Amino acid sequence: SYVLTQAPSVSVAPGKTASITCGGNNIGGKSVQWYQQRPGQAPVLVVYDDIARPSGIPDRFSGSTSGHTATLTISRVEAGDEADYYCQVWDNSGGPNWVFGGGTKLTVL
Amino acid sequence: EVRLVESGGGLVQPGGSLRLSCSASGFTFSDYAMDWVRQAPGKGLEWVSSITRSGTYIYYTDSVKGRFTISRDNAENSLYLQLDSLRADDTAVYYCARGGPKEYYFDYWGQGVLVTVSP
Repeated sequence: SYVLTQAPSVSVAPGKTASITCGGNNIGGKSVQWYQQRPGQAPVLVVYDDIARPSGIPDRFSGSTSGHTATLTISRVEAGDEADYYCQVWDNSGGPNWVFGGGTKLTVL
Repeated sequence: EVRLVESGGGLVQPGGSLRLSCSASGFTFSDYAMDWVRQAPGKGLEWVSSITRSGTYIYYTDSVKGRFTISRDNAENSLYLQLDSLRADDTAVYYCARGGPKEYYFDYWGQGVLVTVSP
């Protein structure tokens, strides 16, 4: 089955740029989504189709993919961005499967 | 405004059953695939099951096949998950999620309902 790998944690100072990565075999050939989950809340979609943002998501959030790595970049980080971030792809290699990475905890210093 | 509201969670003994419901509003329910995603305490997200718009196609993650049953009632704008033969490792918050326009991601989520499996 397809596996997505994320670092457990990333720290960044307010106003700086955070990069959260997601590794997967030829992930550049798949559509990658990113979800933000603040403590005690449900996940929220922040990036879909690698680079697209749902309405209401600030343009400080951007996505990219290349080769075996997808990246969520958050510019001008704010305290309210502190959350868990999950990448996700759809994989059909062994039957339809919606796969999540293990999540990255973003800490704003 | 899209709203998804889950209900039916609670404490159940190993081997027991529960039925989760998700009430949808703010969109044409029959136009979207629907999913259940769960999150064990302190752990990450895990997709559980998906059902297409008309209910024709249904998918499950391997660990719940034969034990969980997803269904929907488009006339009632409702999604269901029947949980049977529950195990301790099924303990989690269960989220109802709407499949995005291309059905390979989740564009709206409910607030979740807690299922605890314990003696």
